[in-house]
Amino acid sequence: EVQLVQSGTEVTKPGESLRISCQGSGYNFPTYWISWVRQRPGKGLEWMGRIDPADSYTNYSPSFQGRVTLSVDKSRNTAFLQWSDLKTSDTALYFCARGLYDGYPFDYWGQGTLITVSS
Amino acid sequence: QSALTQPASVSGSPGQSITISCTGNISDIGNYDIVSWYQQYPGKAPKLIIYEINKRPSGVSDRFSGSKSGNTASLTISGLQAEDEADYSCCTYGTSTTLLFGGGTKVTVV
Repeated sequence: EVQLVQSGTEVTKPGESLRISCQGSGYNFPTYWISWVRQRPGKGLEWMGRIDPADSYTNYSPSFQGRVTLSVDKSRNTAFLQWSDLKTSDTALYFCARGLYDGYPFDYWGQGTLITVSS
Repeated sequence: QSALTQPASVSGSPGQSITISCTGNISDIGNYDIVSWYQQYPGKAPKLIIYEINKRPSGVSDRFSGSKSGNTASLTISGLQAEDEADYSCCTYGTSTTLLFGGGTKVTVV
């Protein structure tokens, strides 16, 4: 069974750094791109970027370029989403998703990681 | 890149058909025949229900169908059921390497 399991809820302060994870199982992890998607409270889905676990090649949305960093640890079948300077506007539910054909569409999703940034 | 445009809400009675539109431009929806649609219940992860405009993943009800005309894609739900009450979002490529979602549509079964 294909599964993407994300790390748990985070409560943090503005200016802090944070890294959340997404561990894949039940499939050949390096074969499928992983995308990250943000959903602010009461709002729609926003595609942030994606990473090819085979070689760590990345694409970023212009809206998120320079604000977040995507990485992967193939040995642990795990993808990461990282911030170095969190803002209150980063408060959201974050999903990872597997890309079916060359990174799209998204056939399996993680359960989501809720991040709250508040002073 | 701007988000694709969807109506904020659509409602229908049980048994009816409803259609949700997803409007982009010639650079995104008009340029790629790979629109996908996702169903999402509150607080849950989205679920792929349509890909490549009109294909359904295994296990997805055939009451869901997709189409595209010009710069607008559409999702039709036939025989509306109470369990269809959820948020629906479209997605496609904005450029050759970046993806775009629509703003999402809340479907209410009245």
